[in-house]
Amino acid sequence: QKEVEQDPGPLSVPEGAIVSLNCTYSNSAFQYFMWYRQYSRKGPELLMYTYSSGNKEDGRFTAQVDKSSKYISLFIRDSQPSDSATYLCAMCPNFNKFYFGSGTKLNVKP
Amino acid sequence: EAGVVQSPRYKIIEKKQPVAFWCNPISGHNTLYWYLQNLGQGPELLIRYENEEAVDDSQLPKDRFSAERLKGVDSTLKIQPAELGDSAVYLCASSSTRPDEQFFGPGTRLTVL
Repeated sequence: QKEVEQDPGPLSVPEGAIVSLNCTYSNSAFQYFMWYRQYSRKGPELLMYTYSSGNKEDGRFTAQVDKSSKYISLFIRDSQPSDSATYLCAMCPNFNKFYFGSGTKLNVKP
Repeated sequence: EAGVVQSPRYKIIEKKQPVAFWCNPISGHNTLYWYLQNLGQGPELLIRYENEEAVDDSQLPKDRFSAERLKGVDSTLKIQPAELGDSAVYLCASSSTRPDEQFFGPGTRLTVL
């Protein structure tokens, strides 16, 4: 079993839709949770970072962490074609080693 | 401020040939990571440096892979000899002391024929 599980998609939505991306994990020691966006032939770029449980909002993006269920989510409101990319969740118990999901490919249709 | 720089961006070699990748991290970032990313997968850590010391190389296949970070700045990752299964994207990242400050380079896409 992988440390981090993520549905690979692809997920296709119309422009303006609310997108929900999710990851589950098995290691209860994970304390830091991150979402990265990766465009084709580019490196991942950090979107959101959350410590422990709770919600965090940044513009159209909201990250949620439920440590009791070992489940994290990223919501994208008013999705745009420019949001089309692969979204990777990542987590770590400390600053030393990051565990990545396999990524969910998102396509936002104009 | 310049981001993480990697070169080359693309490399095509024949199996059994050697290959090297270079990374220049963000100025002031003491931690440097090399990741392997296969198609449709997330990055997997190969090696992590704190300054010039390799503090986690447990996932580095040491029979064919080697890495160095001289003077705690630039780093080079080498494969010798390359195998077909090494075809992947090799990502370099650097960070300061906070997990929300890990920045990735664009990667080197390696194709082994």
